Amino acid sequence: AQSVTQPDIHITVSEGASLELRCNYSYGATPYLFWYVQSPGQGLQLLLKYFSGDTLVQGIKGFEAEFKRSQSSFNLRKPSVHWSDAAEYFCAVGDGGATNKLIFGTGTLLAVQP
Amino acid sequence: EAGVTQSPTHLIKTRGQQATLRCSPISGHTSVYWYQQALGLGLQFLLWYDEGEERNRGNFPPRFSGRQFPNYSSELNVNALELEDSALYLCASSPQGISNQPQHFGDGTRLSIL
Repeated sequence: AQSVTQPDIHITVSEGASLELRCNYSYGATPYLFWYVQSPGQGLQLLLKYFSGDTLVQGIKGFEAEFKRSQSSFNLRKPSVHWSDAAEYFCAVGDGGATNKLIFGTGTLLAVQP
Repeated sequence: EAGVTQSPTHLIKTRGQQATLRCSPISGHTSVYWYQQALGLGLQFLLWYDEGEERNRGNFPPRFSGRQFPNYSSELNVNALELEDSALYLCASSPQGISNQPQHFGDGTRLSIL
């Protein structure tokens, strides 16, 4: 069955430091992968998506992610974190076909220290 | 362009009552999805509607139901409410039934069962 694993439940980084959030997926075919961010009390905002082609994808707010098929990973990165990046981040794989649902990881809660 | 809108923002009910949650998709989107985000359970897919038809449902009991109207807005109905139904209910939309298109989320309805 398709699944997404985010091994880090909680991460704390200092403002200005670099960030990498890990995501591993299990999917039989070519995956459609997404990263979403959720601020407290709000819904999910799409940061970036990977469908095919270039394995390094750029998103909004200075985020990027790299698809590595050999490692079944789609890690999210940002070179310099801002205090406003504190939020929960979700990796998801599109199930496609007849279901069309998103399968989410359990999320990584990011705290940013001044 | 207006995003996905959900109402009400908060809803408080007691056990056994019925709840109705509403969602308006992004203009031009015909697919609407419902997800439940419950504490400790993560984001779980509930329902997918496209062109007025229910296309897929997740692993939820039949007391979770919904419909999609001709203007593509949608309702989620939860009957015989139980304490465990307390959660944030998120609605998302995407262009017509296209597999693996990014889903755009609203800010959710917080349902609290007393």
